[in-house]
Amino acid sequence: GAGVSQTPSNKVTEKGKYVELRCDPISGHTALYWYRQSLGQGPEFLIYFQGTGAADDSGLPNDRFFAVRPEGSVSTLKIQRTERGDSAVYLCASSLNPSYGYTFGSGTRLTVV
Amino acid sequence: QQQVKQSPQSLIVQKGGISIINCAYENTAFDYFPWYQQFPGKGPALLIAIRPDVSEKKEGRFTISFNKSAKQFSLHIMDSQPGDSATYFCAARPGTASKLTFGTGTRLQVTL
Repeated sequence: GAGVSQTPSNKVTEKGKYVELRCDPISGHTALYWYRQSLGQGPEFLIYFQGTGAADDSGLPNDRFFAVRPEGSVSTLKIQRTERGDSAVYLCASSLNPSYGYTFGSGTRLTVV
Repeated sequence: QQQVKQSPQSLIVQKGGISIINCAYENTAFDYFPWYQQFPGKGPALLIAIRPDVSEKKEGRFTISFNKSAKQFSLHIMDSQPGDSATYFCAARPGTASKLTFGTGTRLQVTL
């Protein structure tokens, strides 16, 4: 596609539920990133994929968060036992070359009630 | 630990004026410094970026000034327009990693 596509654009879930957030990167981009942006803050790094493997998952806050990219294209961020503190905009970005800038999607706004 | 400090938090500039946003960093391993522009409901979009081997980079109305010894860099928006009203983020990345560390953002409002 022309840009990075994220679905859903909005997700409301109850505390304790499981959610999956999807990212469809720009075609051919081998690098894929997940960031989380809380209200009034800059994006915070979660995880970086190069191809199918997670090259850096140092930003995942705890073991409730997990991400996959099984075929080196679409990625899914999975959050188990959601907490109200997980409420934020989850941003996905992709890049052809990890040494340079990357393109963000519009994000998924997650609200845990 | 906040590794990139950004100021001001908000900024109001008249149309045609110069908008200046400043960032300071601590990690001397950083070697790539981009600026992103974000509109409400959208993801950040790359505006301009600089590496520490140059002190200034200009693209259209946008200029990055970089001071390696002071560990500071700034974004200047010349002839600011109402369409420039957005939140701006500075960021930095070390050469050995791919993840960006972002500043806290500056909300710019350009008035008529």
